[in-house]
Amino acid sequence: GAGVSQSPSNKVTEKGKDVELRCDPISGHTALYWYRQSLGQGLEFLIYFQGNSAPDKSGLPSDRFSAERTGGSVSTLTIQRTQQEDSAVYLCASSPGGGRNYGYTFGSGTRLTVV
Amino acid sequence: KQEVTQIPAALSVPEGENLVLNCSFTDSAIYNLQWFRQDPGKGLTSLLLIQSSQREQTSGRLNASLDKSSGRSTLYIAASQPGDSATYLCAVYNYGGSQGNLIFGKGTKLSVKP
Repeated sequence: GAGVSQSPSNKVTEKGKDVELRCDPISGHTALYWYRQSLGQGLEFLIYFQGNSAPDKSGLPSDRFSAERTGGSVSTLTIQRTQQEDSAVYLCASSPGGGRNYGYTFGSGTRLTVV
Repeated sequence: KQEVTQIPAALSVPEGENLVLNCSFTDSAIYNLQWFRQDPGKGLTSLLLIQSSQREQTSGRLNASLDKSSGRSTLYIAASQPGDSATYLCAVYNYGGSQGNLIFGKGTKLSVKP
C-alpha cells in the first residue's frame, strides 16, 4: 500500500480480555517499530523489528505484551489479559533499510480503550 | 542513554507570526533527526528529515536546522496559520542503544490563534 496501515483504528475491550493489533508496513520496508502513546504522554518505545534479525523487545512493559512479524511484513501486537493502564494509542512505523537514510513513516494508530 | 528534550512544552501565537521550536539531544552520535506533526487523536506525519551530515532542510514554510555538535535542532515556521496548530515532535535516530534506534522528545503543543 501507499502508507502504513493499522487496524482496527479503535478498539474497546473489557479488562482481562486479549487483543490483537495489526500493522501493515509499506511494502519493502525492512524496519518496523511499535510505540505506545498514553494520554498526554510522549511516545514510549515497545518493540523494533529489522529484517530477519532478532527483534529488540526491550521496551515491552510486561510479559502480557508480545509481537511478531510474519514474513518480514505484517506485524501483530498482542496484549493478553488487558488492564486499564493499557489504554493508549498504539502506533506502528516502518522504514526502508532501518531508517538511516529515509526516516520513518507512521500509521494512524489504534486507539485502545480498556473498560 | 540518549535523551531528547523539547522546549517549550506549549506555545500560543497569533496568526501570521514566525516561530521557532527547539529540540535538544544529549548524544551527538546520531544518523539523522526527524520532525513530525501530530494532530489530536491522530498518528504522526513526517515533516522534515535532516541527515547528520546536513545543516538544514526546508519544505514550504518550514525550515529545520541541525547542529549535531551542540546537540540542537530548531524548527522554524514562517507566517503561522491556524492550520499549523498541532503537537510537533522531534526524534533522533541513534547509532544504537537499548531503545531501538529512534528516540522521541515529548513534543511542543502549538496553538495558532486567528
